[in-house]
Amino acid sequence: EIVMTQSPATLSVSPGERATLSCRASQSISSNLAWYQQKPGQAPRLLIYGASTRATGIPANFNGSGSGTEFTLTISSLQSEDFAVYYCQQYNNWPFTFGPGTKVDIK
Amino acid sequence: EVQLVESGGGLVQPGGSLRLSCAASGFTFSSYWMSWVRQAPGKGLEWVANIKQDGSEKYYVDSVKGRFTISRDNAKNSLYLQMNSLRAEDTAVYYCARGTAMVMYWGQGTLVTVSS
Repeated sequence: EIVMTQSPATLSVSPGERATLSCRASQSISSNLAWYQQKPGQAPRLLIYGASTRATGIPANFNGSGSGTEFTLTISSLQSEDFAVYYCQQYNNWPFTFGPGTKVDIK
Repeated sequence: EVQLVESGGGLVQPGGSLRLSCAASGFTFSSYWMSWVRQAPGKGLEWVANIKQDGSEKYYVDSVKGRFTISRDNAKNSLYLQMNSLRAEDTAVYYCARGTAMVMYWGQGTLVTVSS
């Protein structure tokens, strides 16, 4: 099973600032990585797939990068609605696995 | 509009069984892989199982193999998860999801609580 790790566990950011979230896979997953946003009481929302392709309707301030084992989600100029938990997920090998999440909260 | 509506969750004793259902609408159900993903209270996400369009392929995470069965009825646009021999660690919100690999559409989730 591929183990996904995320850092930091919590990221405190002021509105309007940039947030950089990291995700690492225990073995190469090529670009088979997705990012999700989840708010309390809601289902996850797909942000990025293929490591860098924004899903339909996702604003341009969400950007994904990386390949192999190292990935990054960058949220430029955080808005109030962007404070949430972010998960990365690999779909290169079954079982598909998620990282433990990064909580982005207001500084 | 794509809609996925789960039902069947509730409180069950350890060792008991429960069957979750997911009613799909707004898309051609028979054209998509479908999945179940769960989230324990206050915890992260875990992909439980997925099933091919015609039901010919099914995959399970190791922790539920032999206890859970995913199935579908394309005539009824419905996805199911039969859960047997339930354990406390199966307590979670179970989400129905369209697709496999990465998921654009999710249901609202149904809570399964395994407790005596």
